[in-house]
Amino acid sequence: QKEVEQDPGPLSVPEGAIVSLNCTYSNSAFQYFMWYRQYSRKGPELLMYTYSSGNKEDGRFTAQVDKSSKYISLFIRDSQPSDSATYLCAIISGSARQLTFGSGTQLTVLP
Amino acid sequence: DAGVIQSPRHEVTEMGQEVTLRCKPISGHDYLFWYRQTMMRGLELLIYFNNNVPIDDSGMPEDRFSAKMPNASFSTLKIQPSEPRDSAVYFCASSSARGTQYFGPGTRLLVL
Repeated sequence: QKEVEQDPGPLSVPEGAIVSLNCTYSNSAFQYFMWYRQYSRKGPELLMYTYSSGNKEDGRFTAQVDKSSKYISLFIRDSQPSDSATYLCAIISGSARQLTFGSGTQLTVLP
Repeated sequence: DAGVIQSPRHEVTEMGQEVTLRCKPISGHDYLFWYRQTMMRGLELLIYFNNNVPIDDSGMPEDRFSAKMPNASFSTLKIQPSEPRDSAVYFCASSSARGTQYFGPGTRLLVL
């Protein structure tokens, strides 16, 4: 079993839709949870970062963590064509420096 | 700052040839990471350095892969000899001690 499992997609939605992207993880030692966005032919860039259970909002983006279920989500409200990218969840334990990435979900927002 | 710089951006080579990928981290960052991304395996950490010293190379797939960081502003990832299954996008990332990892644009490697 992989340490981080991510819904593979691909996902295609109309502009304005709410998007839900999800990952599960197996190691309770993981403490920090991140979402990276990767545009085609570019490197991943950090979108959001959280370390506690609950929700964290940043504009149209909400990161949700449920440590009891080992489940993390990213919600995108009012999705835009410019949100079309691959979204990667990434998790790190407190003592380590290594990020463990999910496999990524490719999102296309249709105008 | 220009961000993490990688070169070359694209590399096409023949099986058996030596390949050297280069990375310049963000100035002041003391962690440097090398990743490989493929459709089959996603984004995998190969090796990372702290203050120019390799800390964990457990992700390096084989002895054909080696990485060096001779100073704080330069690192190389070398594949010798290269094989078709090494074809992938190789990313370098850097971070400060408690900071976010910033990724470079990647090197697309194709081994024929």
